[in-house]
Amino acid sequence: EIVLTQSPGTLSLSPGERATLSCRASQTISSSYLAWYQQKPGQAPRLLIYGASSRATGIPDRFSGSGSGTAFTLTISRLEPEDFAVYYCQQYGSSWTFGQGTKVEIK
Amino acid sequence: EVQLVESGGGLVQPGGSLRLSCAASGFTFSGYDMYWVRQAPGEGLEWVSGIRASGDPIYTGSVKGRFTISRENAKMFLHLQMNSLRAGDTAVYYCARGGADGDYFEFWGRGTLVTVSS
Repeated sequence: EIVLTQSPGTLSLSPGERATLSCRASQTISSSYLAWYQQKPGQAPRLLIYGASSRATGIPDRFSGSGSGTAFTLTISRLEPEDFAVYYCQQYGSSWTFGQGTKVEIK
Repeated sequence: EVQLVESGGGLVQPGGSLRLSCAASGFTFSGYDMYWVRQAPGEGLEWVSGIRASGDPIYTGSVKGRFTISRENAKMFLHLQMNSLRAGDTAVYYCARGGADGDYFEFWGRGTLVTVSS
C-alpha cells in the first residue's frame, strides 16, 4: 500500500498569503496519479486537482499542483477567506489512499 | 448538474447489517466507475469500495468478505450492503463518481452517517 504523508499538519496564514502544502509518497506514484481535495467542516470533499497538476472544472487558478514521483505540492497563490479548510492528497495509481490532511487555518 | 444523494445510514448494533444507497442524476451513470469513501468522526478519508462501469467490484482489505458493492444502472443507483458491522465501521459514508479520464473522485455526495454501537 502506498502511504501518503502530508506536511505540515496545520498551516496558520492570513488572507492574501501564499500557502504551500506538501504530500510525500512511500513509493513512486505512477503517471502522476495524484489528486488534491478540499474539505470544509460538515461538507463533502471537493476535487481541486487531478493528474498532479490539472485543475478540476470550476476551480480558481489560484490553486495549482505540481510534482512527480514521490513528492507533490499544492499551492494556493493568495488565500481567500473561503480557502481556509482541510486539504487531502490522494493517490489513485495503485488502489486508492489518502494523506492524513493539512488544515489551513486563519492566523 | 451531477447529483449524488446517499441514504440508508443509521444506528446499528455490532454484528448487524445495513444497506446504503446512492441516487445518481445528471450524468450517464452506466458509463462511470463509482466509489464509497468513509470518514470516521474527526478523522481523515478512507476509500472503502468501488465498482467499475463494467460491474467489477473492488474492496479495501478491512471490508472484504463483509461489504458488497452493487449498481443498478437502469435506476441509477449505487448500493453498499454492509454485514458483520464493527465499531470501527462508524463513519460518514460518501458516494463518489469517478473521473472522466481517471480514477480520481470527481463528484461527491453529502454523505450518510453510520453508527455501530450497542
